[in-house]
Amino acid sequence: KAGVTQTPRYLIKTRGQQVTLSCSPISGHRSVSWYQQTPGQGLQFLFEYFSETQRNKGNFPGRFSGRQFSNSRSEMNVSTLELGDSALYLCASREDSTGELFFGEGSRLTVL
Amino acid sequence: AQSVTQPDIHITVSEGASLELRCNYSYGATPYLFWYVQSPGQGLQLLLKYFSGDTLVQGIKGFEAEFKRSQSSFNLRKPSVHWSDAAEYFCASRGPPGGGNKLTFGTGTQLKVEL
Repeated sequence: KAGVTQTPRYLIKTRGQQVTLSCSPISGHRSVSWYQQTPGQGLQFLFEYFSETQRNKGNFPGRFSGRQFSNSRSEMNVSTLELGDSALYLCASREDSTGELFFGEGSRLTVL
Repeated sequence: AQSVTQPDIHITVSEGASLELRCNYSYGATPYLFWYVQSPGQGLQLLLKYFSGDTLVQGIKGFEAEFKRSQSSFNLRKPSVHWSDAAEYFCASRGPPGGGNKLTFGTGTQLKVEL
């Protein structure tokens, strides 16, 4: 079974631009959550989706948004990028029966 | 609100030595507890988890952890460390089912293994 796939793995943007990151969960997993990892703030929860509905949201500004499609794939978008948005963005899909989260390798965003 | 504390930012051990990484949690009820490992440039891999029952849980790669309610701790141990164990380790907690899948992570412990 393929793992959680995140694309792109690396990207560089400039301040003010926007970015879209994609996550394909493990086949059969209906829940996807996103985390931001930075050296200063550590791992912080962004949001969680289940069957195309946002179930939970972390304390991030409205510039951070996400969505989930009918095939469970998820995207997150960050608009009006700031230098502080530079981070590793991790996606996790959840196995319904055990509740275990499986993480992708992340998308590393650098904002210049 | 839940919080997870990992008091040690960096730990260095010699290969073959035993290891204990500390984790303390703050939560009103018994949380679900996890240990993850992250190698450079990689995502997070689950080492082990505690939901309920036996307080000593076994994980992958020879790791184990013990849940101690009286100390609000969930320390990770390994009897003999291998050079390939060098990585960053994260302790995390989550509320019971129905509260979503939000994990609260500690700040991580960077493990260095000396040969």
